[in-house]
Amino acid sequence: AQKVTQAQTEISVVEKEDVTLDCVYETRDTTYYLFWYKQPPSGELVFLIRRNSFDEQNEISGRYSWNFQKSTSSFNFTITASQVVDSAVYFCALSEGNAGNMLTFGGGTRLMVKP
Amino acid sequence: SAVISQKPSRDICQRGTSLTIQCQVDSQVTMMFWYRQQPGQSLTLIATANQGSEATYESGFVIDKFPISRPNLTFSTLTVSNMSPEDSSIYLCSVVAGSSYEQYFGPGTRLTVT
Repeated sequence: AQKVTQAQTEISVVEKEDVTLDCVYETRDTTYYLFWYKQPPSGELVFLIRRNSFDEQNEISGRYSWNFQKSTSSFNFTITASQVVDSAVYFCALSEGNAGNMLTFGGGTRLMVKP
Repeated sequence: SAVISQKPSRDICQRGTSLTIQCQVDSQVTMMFWYRQQPGQSLTLIATANQGSEATYESGFVIDKFPISRPNLTFSTLTVSNMSPEDSSIYLCSVVAGSSYEQYFGPGTRLTVT
């Protein structure tokens, strides 16, 4: 069965610091998809990225970057020069098989960015 | 992409009553999911609702407690029946849309049971 672990339950940083959120996953499938979502205090889930198991290229989007390493079953998320607006709960999730299947979520990491 | 709306956005209900949550999508989608997020917790899948078939429930969730309807490709409802304080959660619907199978979430329904 699939499993996603986010070991960091809460992280606190000062604005402009870089921060990395860890995500480790378990799956027996060779085809799977990994996601990151942001949940601000308003409660809605904001899609950040999806990565399939055959694409290990790292991705950068503005201040956000993602490091996918199949060898360690990790899909870590780094925010560079954090801002107060980055304060939220971040969820890593896994979908086995095709990307349209159900998501298994990690426990989430609450990020607090202080001014 | 898909734009999803949910009604109500929040509600406070008394124990023993039922609440029906609506999920409306701006495009036709095959797969819809209902998730629950208990206070301070992660999201857990309740059921998968495909149009034209019975919903498929995950372990720990039963149809009598969480009946789901999926009358067409743009709409679904989730009912939380015979509520207890333990049902206080955010309930979110999710759809798969687009050629890239992106998963989108509705804004959620914040339910408090007293």
